[in-house]
Amino acid sequence: AQSVTQLDSQVPVFEEAPVELRCNYSSSVSVYLFWYVQYPNQGLQLLLKYLSGSTLVESINGFEAEFNKSQTSFHLRKPSVHISDTAEYFCAVIRWDNNNDMRFGAGTRLTVKP
Amino acid sequence: DVKVTQSSRYLVKRTGEKVFLECVQDMDHENMFWYRQDPGLGLRLIYFSYDVKMKEKGDIPEGYSVSREKKERFSLILESASTNQTSMYLCASISLDRSNYGYTFGSGTRLTVV
Repeated sequence: AQSVTQLDSQVPVFEEAPVELRCNYSSSVSVYLFWYVQYPNQGLQLLLKYLSGSTLVESINGFEAEFNKSQTSFHLRKPSVHISDTAEYFCAVIRWDNNNDMRFGAGTRLTVKP
Repeated sequence: DVKVTQSSRYLVKRTGEKVFLECVQDMDHENMFWYRQDPGLGLRLIYFSYDVKMKEKGDIPEGYSVSREKKERFSLILESASTNQTSMYLCASISLDRSNYGYTFGSGTRLTVV
């Protein structure tokens, strides 16, 4: 089975500061990797994903994540955050050899302060 | 756009009641999933189905069952609701198309058992 660890349950930052939300996974086989965002009182939205190819993937709103196979990590970064980035962020994995069932981390609550 | 529709946004039920949570997707996806979301625990997989009349247990199936009589509909059943099943329930389906691989989530059903 795979597991996903998000190392920080809460990350408070000031507006325009850089942020990194950390995610590590454990799996005996290769995985697909995802980051989802959940704004207050809303559903889950896909932020970005890594399936293959370039290990650096980007979202349309300035977030990026880098797949590091040797460290089994998929950390999410943004060089300058906005108040509107305040949300809960979930890291998730799907094993290549499984029934496409996704496993999630416990989530990181990002709070951007003015 | 793929749509995953959960029939109720909010639901209040009494302890011991049998509860049905309905989920319908409109993109002919074969795989469908039920999760529950709890603060500090992220999303946990309850059951999934990869075909009509097929079901597989996820990580926390106790107290739940599922039904998949038609491809587009995946129902979660709480046989005898208990207060510890108070939670947000999320349904999802997955596109296996390589160009669009990933989950689409419904907007969730917040169930309160009193």
